Amino acid sequence: AQTVTQSQPEMSVQEAETVTLSCTYDTSESNYYLFWYKQPPSRQMILVIRQEAYKQQNATENRFSVNFQKAAKSFSLKISDSQLGDTAMYFCASLTSGTYKYIFGTGTRLKVLA
Amino acid sequence: NAGVMQNPRHLVRRRGQEARLRCSPMKGHSHVYWYRQLPEEGLKFMVYLQKENIIDESGMPKERFSAEFPKEGPSILRIQQVVRGDSAAYFCASSPFSAQRREQYFGPGTRLTVT
Repeated sequence: AQTVTQSQPEMSVQEAETVTLSCTYDTSESNYYLFWYKQPPSRQMILVIRQEAYKQQNATENRFSVNFQKAAKSFSLKISDSQLGDTAMYFCASLTSGTYKYIFGTGTRLKVLA
Repeated sequence: NAGVMQNPRHLVRRRGQEARLRCSPMKGHSHVYWYRQLPEEGLKFMVYLQKENIIDESGMPKERFSAEFPKEGPSILRIQQVVRGDSAAYFCASSPFSAQRREQYFGPGTRLTVT
């Protein structure tokens, strides 16, 4: 079965610094997608960044970028120039191409300190 | 284009009562998915519906839970005779099609508290 593991329950970072959140996954599929979602206290699930497994280039969205290591099944999220508004739970998720069940990790609670 | 709408945002029920959670997908989306998030956990798939059809309910508890997505109106997740363990956040997501990319758009969730 597919699994997604986030081994860091909590992290903190100083404002303006850079932080990296870890995620590993396990799948036997060759085509899949990986996502990072942000869940602020409002509980809204906000898509931060998306990566297609067939693309070798790491996805980037402004201050957010990923380090996708397909062979190692690793998908970490780097947040540069951290802002107070980045304080939230961050969930890593996978989705096998042709299916519809997102598999979520247990989340990392990130706190950005002023 | 309005996003996925869920209501109510917060729902409090006493043990034994019924809970009805509503989800209106994004305009043009005909596929709806329900997920449950227990405290301190990630979201877990419950059920996938298309208009008037349940496609996959493998994540739904066998008893007391049901879901529908009628031809007209929102999708409903119904929990009968709620128990304390049903306290969770319930998220609805929708997508315009069910093949290939499959990106789902999530609603704001309904937080159910059973007292």
